[in-house]
Amino acid sequence: DAGVIQSPRHEVTEMGQEVTLRCKPISGHDYLFWYRQTMMRGLELLIYFNNNVPIDDSGMPEDRFSAKMPNASFSTLKIQPSEPRDSAVYFCASSLAVGGQFGYTFGSGTRLTVV
Amino acid sequence: GDSVTQMEGPVTLSEEAFLTINCTYTATGYPSLFWYVQYPGEGLQLLLKATKADDKGSNKGFEATYRKETTSFHLEKGSVQVSDSAVYFCALSERTGGFKTIFGAGTRLFVKA
Repeated sequence: DAGVIQSPRHEVTEMGQEVTLRCKPISGHDYLFWYRQTMMRGLELLIYFNNNVPIDDSGMPEDRFSAKMPNASFSTLKIQPSEPRDSAVYFCASSLAVGGQFGYTFGSGTRLTVV
Repeated sequence: GDSVTQMEGPVTLSEEAFLTINCTYTATGYPSLFWYVQYPGEGLQLLLKATKADDKGSNKGFEATYRKETTSFHLEKGSVQVSDSAVYFCALSERTGGFKTIFGAGTRLFVKA
């Protein structure tokens, strides 16, 4: 398996533009997570899905953020409109379980810069 | 709520030195504990884990023992290499938290040749 695949690796956009980040989880993993990493706040869980259904989106910072998982092999995180404070590295992770004994497999991340 | 506290970095060591990165946690139940490693430009990788008290997780020469009495899960390695330079994250997950994984702030390790 190629692991968790994220695209793009880098994204630079202007304030106010729409940004879409993409993730392909490991085949067979039932759970998918979106995290945001910044120097100031560390790793923050934004949202997670179980069997394509959003379970907890309490970490989504505001209505400008939305996430979907239309099928077991694809998820998107959208920011509209984007703001400079959204600049961060966004990670997708997948797992056989929500936590517990398996741990998570992370993608390589998307580094987002909003200017 | 649950939390994880790691020693602040960066930690700078010479090659073949002994490594300890301290991690303590606060949890209401009986969490599973993890160490993840992040190399530059990459995502986090699971390094080792322990699911109950007194368990020892180990991988690639790294070890950590789940100490319930001191609520700790310190990471150790007997002889570090330059290739171990990375950021190390301690994490926990437990049922009462909906099994969501909570990460510490990370500790950056530099190993000099």
